[in-house]
Amino acid sequence: IAGITQAPTSQILAAGRRMTLRCTQDMRHNAMYWYRQDLGLGLRLIHYSNTAGTTGKGEVPDGYSVSRANTDDFPLTLASAVPSQTSVYFCASSGDGTSGSDEQFFGPGTRLTVL
Amino acid sequence: GQNIDQPTEMTATEGAIVQINCTYQTSGFNGLFWYQQHAGEAPTFLSYNVLDGLEEKGRFSSFLSRSKGYSYLLLKELQMKDSASYLCAVKDSGYALNFGKGTSLLVTP
Repeated sequence: IAGITQAPTSQILAAGRRMTLRCTQDMRHNAMYWYRQDLGLGLRLIHYSNTAGTTGKGEVPDGYSVSRANTDDFPLTLASAVPSQTSVYFCASSGDGTSGSDEQFFGPGTRLTVL
Repeated sequence: GQNIDQPTEMTATEGAIVQINCTYQTSGFNGLFWYQQHAGEAPTFLSYNVLDGLEEKGRFSSFLSRSKGYSYLLLKELQMKDSASYLCAVKDSGYALNFGKGTSLLVTP
């Protein structure tokens, strides 16, 4: 593994189903993030984690949950998917979430369609 | 609240110079980032500014004026592969990265 990986690459999901998007990084970064990207709205932060064991809410957290049991993994769960959660989801990581100059590295994204 | 504005679309000719502007109003300021995103791909880091002035990196330069809440990304000697979306993002006082909606740049022959 090099960098950040996300799985699945794409998924079609029935409304009401539970879904977990996976994200793994091998850069030993402390901070990890989940964004959704929608046409005309740009990237919006869903949840973040500045270090293993801690998480925080971003701009659009409703309907999503995260956990950070270890440094490498940061799964995003949709407990009961709704069509408005159709989007492209990007996971990102950075060395230190409280450093100004710390750039974020993005995974390849998961394209999710909720029908 | 956070407010980051950049033009929606721009078109430029191969070999030319293009300037993509970004204005912002955020709760605190801990730096401004520019990312490039090709269609269907992940954003990739281009530049970071935290002090006023110009940062040059090859064909790309980024400028910041904190007092004006203004930045621009300058792309020189445009190539077809520069056709992409360019995302302006500001890190606020809570170190969250707030993204603009992006500028879609089309480079024509």
